[in-house]
Amino acid sequence: KQEVTQIPAALSVPEGENLVLNCSFTDSAIYNLQWFRQDPGKGLTSLLLIQSSQREQTSGRLNASLDKSSGRSTLYIAASQPGDSATYLCADWGAGSYQLTFGKGTKLSVIP
Amino acid sequence: EPEVTQTPSHQVTQMGQEVILRCVPISNHLYFYWYRQILGQKVEFLVSFYNNEISEKSEIFDDQFSVERPDGSNFTLKIRSTKLEDSAMYFCASSPGGAGYGYTFGSGTRLTVV
Repeated sequence: KQEVTQIPAALSVPEGENLVLNCSFTDSAIYNLQWFRQDPGKGLTSLLLIQSSQREQTSGRLNASLDKSSGRSTLYIAASQPGDSATYLCADWGAGSYQLTFGKGTKLSVIP
Repeated sequence: EPEVTQTPSHQVTQMGQEVILRCVPISNHLYFYWYRQILGQKVEFLVSFYNNEISEKSEIFDDQFSVERPDGSNFTLKIRSTKLEDSAMYFCASSPGGAGYGYTFGSGTRLTVV
């Protein structure tokens, strides 16, 4: 059974810092990996989707990488802003399945 | 940008009552899903739906749960006899294709069973 782990569970940084969020998964047979943002009590906003054949994807200040062989993905946020404060979730789409398996998330606080 | 719409945003129901959660997926999407998130826990898969039938379901999705696409636009999740432990945020999602396509999630329905 696929397990997705996110470290750290919480992170607090001053505004302007660059930061990295980590995601690891136990089964490397995945179709893709997706990063989401969740604000308190709200839905899931898709940030980046990385196909299994890709190594990274970029959108604005966000860059996500994927290393299937080591079962890891990272989300890099450049020049963090208070508006980036949220919980960041990673989820993978396992081979032979229709479902996403989620990590528990990293709660990010960016201090002005 | 196209959205997945869920109604209601919050529903309170008494234990043992039936509830129907409603979703309008993105119009040209073919795959539809329900997930739930119990407070403080991971987002969990419930069911996927394609071509008017369930394609996959989790252990959580027992006989108390059912899904339906009653017309060309709506996708519903019914819980027949709610339990306290059904209290959670329920998310609907859709994707344009199968593996390789990303999901778009709705903003969720918070279900509180009292």
